[in-house]
Amino acid sequence: DAGVTQSPTHLIKTRGQQVTLRCSPKSGHDTVSWYQQALGQGPQFIFQYYEEEERQRGNFPDRFSGHQFPNYSSELNVNALLLGDSALYLCASSPDGTGELFFGEGSRLTVL
Amino acid sequence: KQEVTQIPAALSVPEGENLVLNCSFTDSAIYNLQWFRQDPGKGLTSLLLIQSSQREQTSGRLNASLDKSSGRSTLYIAASQPGDSATYLCAPEGGDDKIIFGKGTRLHILP
Repeated sequence: DAGVTQSPTHLIKTRGQQVTLRCSPKSGHDTVSWYQQALGQGPQFIFQYYEEEERQRGNFPDRFSGHQFPNYSSELNVNALLLGDSALYLCASSPDGTGELFFGEGSRLTVL
Repeated sequence: KQEVTQIPAALSVPEGENLVLNCSFTDSAIYNLQWFRQDPGKGLTSLLLIQSSQREQTSGRLNASLDKSSGRSTLYIAASQPGDSATYLCAPEGGDDKIIFGKGTRLHILP
């Protein structure tokens, strides 16, 4: 049983560009959450998707958007990249209602 | 707004010692609290999940306790080993269904 998978693992972008990160949840999980983790900090909640809808959102600007597909996989899009967007982006899945998170290995984004 | 604090921020202890990591949270109306381990540059691995109705959970050498009323949780690691070196994060799930993380405790076990 595959766990949570994320792609790409590493990527480099320049300021102003756009990026799309992808996540496949653990089998049987229908809820996907995205987190941003800067170096030396704890993960910061971006948003959560359930049944293809954004259910919860953290304190992130509209440049951060997402999508969930019928197979529960998800994408995180970030527009107009800033240097401060450089971070490890973590995807976590959970069966709805349990609150127990299972994380992928993350996508390391570097903005130059 | 939930705020999570973890003390100490960093800890170095000799192998074999028992140790306690602390987590405090400001909003005690939580559904559960989860402890995670994170190795450098990697994702998070779930260690223990304590439901709000529970006082503690155990897994091997790990024991986590929860005192909802005081907004505190502790992670106890028995007989520490060099392989336990990692960052440990706690994350309560609040009544708004948001799971908020502390900054973590960086643990280094000296051989």
